[in-house]
Amino acid sequence: KAGVTQTPRYLIKTRGQQVTLSCSPISGHRSVSWYQQTPGQGLQFLFEYFSETQRNKGNFPGRFSGRQFSNSRSEMNVSTLELGDSALYLCASSPAGTAYNEQFFGPGTRLTVL
Amino acid sequence: GESVGLHLPTLSVQEGDNSIINCAYSNSASDYFIWYKQESGKGPQFIIDIRSNMDKRQGQRVTVLLNKTVKHLSLQIAATQPGDSAVYFCAERRTGANNLFFGTGTRLTVIP
Repeated sequence: KAGVTQTPRYLIKTRGQQVTLSCSPISGHRSVSWYQQTPGQGLQFLFEYFSETQRNKGNFPGRFSGRQFSNSRSEMNVSTLELGDSALYLCASSPAGTAYNEQFFGPGTRLTVL
Repeated sequence: GESVGLHLPTLSVQEGDNSIINCAYSNSASDYFIWYKQESGKGPQFIIDIRSNMDKRQGQRVTVLLNKTVKHLSLQIAATQPGDSAVYFCAERRTGANNLFFGTGTRLTVIP
């Protein structure tokens, strides 16, 4: 079974631009979560989607948004990029309804904002 | 404030020795505590979890201990191997939440 895939793997943007990151969960997984990882703050939860609905949201500004499609694929968008948005963005999927402790992470998208 | 933290940012052990990675938490309203391992260039990988009403749980070469009195969590790795070199995160799943709250991580280096 294929793992979680994220595209692109690397991205360089400038301040003020916007970016869209994509995540394809493991087949059959309906829950997709997004995390931001930085050296100083560690892994911080952004939001979780289940059956195309945002079910949970972390403490991030409204510039961070996401969505999930009917095939469970998910995208996250960051508008008006700031230097502090430079980070590794990780997507994780879980089977529907159970086992949220075991989330399956993708390799991440490394975003650099110049 | 509430946090999930780690005592040491780095840990070096000799191959074959046992490793102990520690974690402190402050939120008592957590259903589960979980350990993840992140190797270079990869996303975190689930290792083991423990329900908050348990004290100990064993897996393959790993044991997690939970001391609720002092709000302390540890991961013990038996016979540490070079492949165990990674950053280890403790995380908690709080009551009513589906997401995880991660600590900042401990980098384990195994010396051959």
